[in-house]
Amino acid sequence: GAVVSQHPSRVICKSGTSVKIECRSLDFQATTMFWYRQFPKQSLMLMATSNEGSKATYEQGVEKDKFLINHASLTLSTLTVTSAHPEDSSFYICSAPRQRGTSGRSRNEQFFGPGTRLTVL
Amino acid sequence: GQNIDQPTEMTATEGAIVQINCTYQTSGFNGLFWYQQHAGEAPTFLSYNVLDGLEEKGRFSSFLSRSKGYSYLLLKELQMKDSASYLCAVRDGYGQNFVFGPGTRLSVLP
Repeated sequence: GAVVSQHPSRVICKSGTSVKIECRSLDFQATTMFWYRQFPKQSLMLMATSNEGSKATYEQGVEKDKFLINHASLTLSTLTVTSAHPEDSSFYICSAPRQRGTSGRSRNEQFFGPGTRLTVL
Repeated sequence: GQNIDQPTEMTATEGAIVQINCTYQTSGFNGLFWYQQHAGEAPTFLSYNVLDGLEEKGRFSSFLSRSKGYSYLLLKELQMKDSASYLCAVRDGYGQNFVFGPGTRLSVLP
């Protein structure tokens, strides 16, 4: 089946540093990838849509200069949290859509990466 | 606007049946998905509905009524490992983005 990987799975950093998170689609190409943030006991909140070959689309309230997204290829998107602060500590998850099933019953399914736990001290 | 509602928490007994409801109001609709998420892990796909009716898949079934903006996930023969959060998500158009509900935390007790 389709697999999406993320690296690193866990990172602890000091306040003010930058952290890069990679999201890769391992056996399919993804022109679009999504970045979500999830705080404890809450649901996934979409941060931005990463588009290969063009600028990312950010959701309202998400600072594009703080959360830099680069969709370098059809299998790789990166999220860089710049000048991280403790309030940025969260679980970051990426996903990539892929068409599954046959023509009559096809669906566009999201495949999620395993997530990255960011802790900013 | 986009709004998806689910109960926050539910508790059930091992071996029992539980139904998790989801109501939605979105600007568009192109499919409803249910995901299971264990703590600290990414969501995993459970079911998909785009037409009205019931979709059955082993111990899990999902129902959709588009006219009512309503879906439910039915879990039968509950096992301890079913303790997790269950997320209802709607694809809100012909784009690829999903809108997620707040999730329902299910606890299965012995």
